[in-house]
Parts: sequence; structure tokens; C-alpha cells
Amino acid sequence: DIQMTQSPSSLSASVGDRVTITCRASQSISSFLNWYQQKPGKAPKLLIYAASSLHSGVPSRFSGSESGTDFTLTISSLQPEDYATYYCQQSYRTPLTFGGGTKVEIK
Amino acid sequence: QVQLQESGPGLVKPSETLSLTCSVSDYSISSGHYWGWIRQPPGKGLEWIGHIYPGGSSYHNPSLKSRVTMSADTSKNQFSLRLDSVTAADTAVYYCASIGQVELNIDYWGQGTVVTVSS
Repeated sequence: DIQMTQSPSSLSASVGDRVTITCRASQSISSFLNWYQQKPGKAPKLLIYAASSLHSGVPSRFSGSESGTDFTLTISSLQPEDYATYYCQQSYRTPLTFGGGTKVEIK
Repeated sequence: QVQLQESGPGLVKPSETLSLTCSVSDYSISSGHYWGWIRQPPGKGLEWIGHIYPGGSSYHNPSLKSRVTMSADTSKNQFSLRLDSVTAADTAVYYCASIGQVELNIDYWGQGTVVTVSS
């Protein structure tokens, strides 16, 4: 199975901050990397697919990038509604696997 | 956009079978997506269970061995999950979802249903 390692596992940030979350794949996954946002008690929502493509309706402050097996989710200016847990997921090969999550908390 | 809704028992006894159905609205399940299941144990991360293409291929997580069966009923626009021989480790929120055929991104999710395995 392809292992996905997210860092950090949690972070504290203030409204307006630039936030960066990293996900590393255990092997090459090309650009088959997706990012999700999950709020407490709710289903996850797709933010970014194919490493850098914004899903329909997602604000442009969210962006994704890649460098080899390292992938980054960036929130350019953190908003109050962005406090949540974020997960990466590889879709290069089954079994589809997720990172362990990054919880973004209010500073 | 596609709407998904899970239904099924919230409590299942150990060693019995968990059965869930996902009803899809505003999109035909025959129209070019995979349809899948993901679960999340209490306080933990996400685990892909498997996905199916109606009338075609299906894939499931080998970690669940041969306990998983998925099916689709295009006449009802529904798809289903069966998980046999459940234990307490199968207690989780179960989500049904649509999965893009090319990118395998999970683009739309149901609200989730809590399934507890307990006697």
C-alpha cells in the first residue's frame, strides 16, 4: 500500500495567516493527490484534486502544489470558516489511502 | 450536484453482517462515476472501503479481506455495501460517495451514518 504522511498533525493559526500543510507519499504517485476539508460531525469535502486543480465552488485562497512525492496545501489567508481538519489522499493506486490529517485550530 | 444519502441499521451484533444502502439523487449512477464507501472510526482518520462501477468492475480494500460485497441497482439509483463477520473494530461512521473515474477523487459525499457493533 502507498503510505501518505501528513505534517504537521495539528497547528494553531490566526485569521489572515498563510497556512501550509504537507503530505508525503511513500512512492511516486504522479499528480494523483487530492485534498479534503472536514469539520466536526460533517462529511469531508473535496478541495483540490490532481494535486493543484480547484474543485467547483472552492474559494481561490486554497491552492495545491507538488514537488516529486511531496505535496502542499496552502491557505493564503486563513478565514474563520477554515478551522477544520484537512486530509490528503492518493488516487494513483488502490487501495486508496489517506494521510493522518492536520487539525487547524484557532490561535 | 449529486446528492447521496446512506441508510441502514445503526447497531449490528458482533459476527453478523453490516448492510448499508446509498440512495443517489440528481445524477444517474450509470453515468460515468464510480460509487464507493469510506469509513471513519470514532476520533480517527479516513479508510477507503471500496468502490464499484455499475455493471462493471469493483475494488475493495484488501485489509478487509473477503468480508466486503458491493452492488448497484440502477433501476433504483442506489448502491449497497455488505460487510460480513463484523467486530467492534468495524464501529465507525460510514460514508457513501461518488468517485471520479479518471482522477479517483471523492467528489461528493453522503452525510454519513454511524454504525456501532455491539451485543
